[in-house]
Amino acid sequence: EIVMTQSPATLSVSPGERATLSCRASQSVSSNLAWYQQKPGQAPRLLIYGASTRATGIPARFSGSGSGTEFTLTISSLQSEDFAVYYCQQYSNWPPLTFGGGTKVEIK
Amino acid sequence: EVQLVESGGGLLQPGGSLRLSCAASGFTFSSYEMNWVRQAPGKGLEWVSYTSSSGNTIYYADSVKGRFTSSRDNAKNSLYLQMNSLRAEDTAVYYCARGLDTFDSWGQGTLVTVSS
Repeated sequence: EIVMTQSPATLSVSPGERATLSCRASQSVSSNLAWYQQKPGQAPRLLIYGASTRATGIPARFSGSGSGTEFTLTISSLQSEDFAVYYCQQYSNWPPLTFGGGTKVEIK
Repeated sequence: EVQLVESGGGLLQPGGSLRLSCAASGFTFSSYEMNWVRQAPGKGLEWVSYTSSSGNTIYYADSVKGRFTSSRDNAKNSLYLQMNSLRAEDTAVYYCARGLDTFDSWGQGTLVTVSS
């Protein structure tokens, strides 16, 4: 099973600033990496797949990068609606599909 | 508009059984793979099960294998999760999610609480 590790667990950022979230895989997942956003009381929403491709309707301020075992989600200028929990998920070697533990982006 | 609506959650005792349903609309259900993903209270996401578009191929997480059974009825645009021998650690919001290996649409979830 591929273990996904996200850091930091919590990220405090001021509106308008850049946020950089990290995700590490226990073995290479190539570019088979997705990112999701989840707001309180809501279902997750797909942001990024293929490590760097934005899903339909996702604003350009969200970008993904990386391959192999190291990945980054960058939010270039945080808006109020971006404060949420973000999860990475690998789909390279499954089952099982595995998620990271999440990074909570909170208002500084 | 794609819609996924889960139902069937509730409170039950350890060892009990429950059947969740996911009603799909707004897309050609029979053409899409579907999954169940759960989230324990205050915790992260855990993939539970995958069902192919035909229903012929199904995978499970080790944590539920042998206890949970996923199925689908394409004529009814519905996905199901039969959960048996429930444990306290199965307490979670259960989401159905569309997709082969990434999930582009999710339901609102249904809460399953296992407690004596």
